[in-house]
Amino acid sequence: GEDVEQSLFLSVREGDSSVINCTYTDSSSTYLYWYKQEPGAGLQLLTYIFSNMDMKQDQRLTVLLNKKDKHLSLRIADTQTGDSAIYFCAEKSGAGSYQLTFGKGTKLSVIP
Amino acid sequence: NAGVTQTPKFQVLKTGQSMTLQCAQDMNHEYMSWYRQDPGMGLRLIHYSVGAGITDQGEVPNGYNVSRSTTEDFPLRLLSAAPSQTSVYFCASSKNPLPSVTDTQYFGPGTRLTVL
Repeated sequence: GEDVEQSLFLSVREGDSSVINCTYTDSSSTYLYWYKQEPGAGLQLLTYIFSNMDMKQDQRLTVLLNKKDKHLSLRIADTQTGDSAIYFCAEKSGAGSYQLTFGKGTKLSVIP
Repeated sequence: NAGVTQTPKFQVLKTGQSMTLQCAQDMNHEYMSWYRQDPGMGLRLIHYSVGAGITDQGEVPNGYNVSRSTTEDFPLRLLSAAPSQTSVYFCASSKNPLPSVTDTQYFGPGTRLTVL
């Protein structure tokens, strides 16, 4: 079945850029998503990218997709303490269902 | 708009007990879903619904029932609770099945369930 892998932890200094990486196995993935989860809260959709795109930029967020290597990354520019959270990568396969497969999440800690 | 509401926030059950987790949304969203989140794991889809009267199984449906008699409500029933069902449960809703930033998916605050 589909699998989505992420590194579990990332620590950066305030003001630096953060890069969170994700790999997936389903070559028929059509949509790839990044969600943010703050402590004690549900998930918040941050951004997404279609599989026919290489890059998408939205203010401080840049998503890069390497479809050949099945690698997705989320870059957060000028990381702030409010960016501290768990970030989940998720994919929607092209299999005709509405299910998303989520990674285990990367906990981003921002050091003031 | 209250968004997506879930009750209760916390619940402790004994093995074998049954209960219903409530989920409601006031945004007239057609698509609703239930996920569970276990420590160190991503969310896994339990059941989903694309509209009133229509439900379908997700990745981990065993031990759970759902119904969708109205657009607003999507309760999740645990038939006979087991310790393996200890988890945080999230309900989500969206206008369309595939979320986008302009048609985002809204999550409730979660229900933390412990089964002893």
